Amino acid sequence: DVKVTQSSRYLVKRTGEKVFLECVQDMDHENMFWYRQDPGLGLRLIYFSYDVKMKEKGDIPEGYSVSREKKERFSLILESASTNQTSMYLCASSKDSGETQYFGPGTRLLVL
Amino acid sequence: GENVEQHPSTLSVQEGDSAVIKCTYSDSASNYFPWYKQELGKRPQLIIDIRSNVGEKKDQRIAVTLNKTAKHFSLHITETQPEDSAVYFCAASNELGNTPLVFGKGTRLSVIA
Repeated sequence: DVKVTQSSRYLVKRTGEKVFLECVQDMDHENMFWYRQDPGLGLRLIYFSYDVKMKEKGDIPEGYSVSREKKERFSLILESASTNQTSMYLCASSKDSGETQYFGPGTRLLVL
Repeated sequence: GENVEQHPSTLSVQEGDSAVIKCTYSDSASNYFPWYKQELGKRPQLIIDIRSNVGEKKDQRIAVTLNKTAKHFSLHITETQPEDSAVYFCAASNELGNTPLVFGKGTRLSVIA
């Protein structure tokens, strides 16, 4: 079974703080993804990565950056959190880029 | 790039009735079409998928159909049960390409007992 874990289920931060969300997968998948999920907007892709140290912008990269120093770990960074970044953040991984993705449990972030 | 439209956004059915969710896609090169179910407070999970070399696939009460000419695919759930209540997402991709899945916006299905 693929296991994708995220560092926190719930997180509360203040405006302007730097926020790190971490994702780890144990299936040796090449590809990892970060989405945010908001009511009525579905899953919106923020960034993805094909390989270690590789990253590609998704549909909504503004205000975010990512880091992939190890194959199993993909971090999402909010350099200066803002209230409009309050959302559910979901990480996913897949063996190949167009294949089935396996999701983590999500991190619900509240920025005050 | 690929664009996936999903309808309806909400769907209510009586327990025991069937539910159908439809998706259209724009890129004729897409050849992989998974469906995910997300229960309240949980992660999206793959429930069924279809590739472009087949027109229909069934797994117990769920089935997916694909019409490549019209570029649409549908999820069919028969004999719905309350535990089918969830948000369902369709997605499309070209497995041979270097681009990730593109998701529809989701359908919230409510099964009324």
